[in-house]
Amino acid sequence: DAGVIQSPRHEVTEMGQEVTLRCKPISGHNSLFWYRQTMMRGLELLIYFNNNVPIDDSGMPEDRFSAKMPNASFSTLKIQPSEPRDSAVYFCASSLARAGRQFFGPGTRLTVL
Amino acid sequence: DAKTTQPNSMESNEEEPVHLPCNHSTISGTDYIHWYRQLPSQGPEYVIHGLTSNVNNRMASLAIAEDRKSSTLILHRATLRDAAVYYCILRETGGNTGNTPLVFGKGTRLSVIA
Repeated sequence: DAGVIQSPRHEVTEMGQEVTLRCKPISGHNSLFWYRQTMMRGLELLIYFNNNVPIDDSGMPEDRFSAKMPNASFSTLKIQPSEPRDSAVYFCASSLARAGRQFFGPGTRLTVL
Repeated sequence: DAKTTQPNSMESNEEEPVHLPCNHSTISGTDYIHWYRQLPSQGPEYVIHGLTSNVNNRMASLAIAEDRKSSTLILHRATLRDAAVYYCILRETGGNTGNTPLVFGKGTRLSVIA
C-alpha cells in the first residue's frame, strides 16, 4: 500500500491566489482528516469526514477555506484567496473506524508570499 | 478530550533506554492512551496505545499507572532514528475511535546523542 498520498508536496504562491491541496486516503479507510501545523499553533484539526460526509469543520479558520470529499478516494482542501498567514504544513490523515490508528500523509508545505 | 502534560524536551544517549512520561490526571474510564511521534519533516506516525494494561509492540512499550493518571512510553534502545517529537493523546474508547480526530499537545522533543 502506498499510504496516504498528498499533492503537491510543496506549494509557493502569491497572496490572493487560489490554492488547492489534494489527498488520496488509504484504500478502504472511511475517515479522512485535514490538519495544519505551524510553529505557533502546533498541529490542529481543520476538518474531518466520515464516509465522505463532513462531520466537524469548526477548525476551518475562515470562509476562505473549504474542503470536499467527492468520493472515498479523494479529498481537496482549497484556500481562496490565500494569505501569508496561511503558510503552514497541511497534513491529511485517514483511518478505518474500528482500527483507531490514523495514518498521515507526508504533508504539503504551503508558502504564501 | 482530556488534557495531557509532557516535558518539553528530553535527551538520551544512543542505545540506552528512554522513558517518556505523560500525566493525564483527568483521564476518564473510557479514554485510551495513544502515542504518536513525528520525525523531522514527516507526518505523525502511530506508536502504541493502551487502556489499562501495559502494552508492547515492535516499536515501544507503554507502561500505564495503576490509577491511570500517568503513563510512560519506553523505547528500549534509542537510536538516532528515534529523534522526534512524541505526543501523548487521550482518545475516548478504543474500538471505534477511528472516526474521531486526534488532539495534539506540544509533545516531548526527544534528542538522541551518538
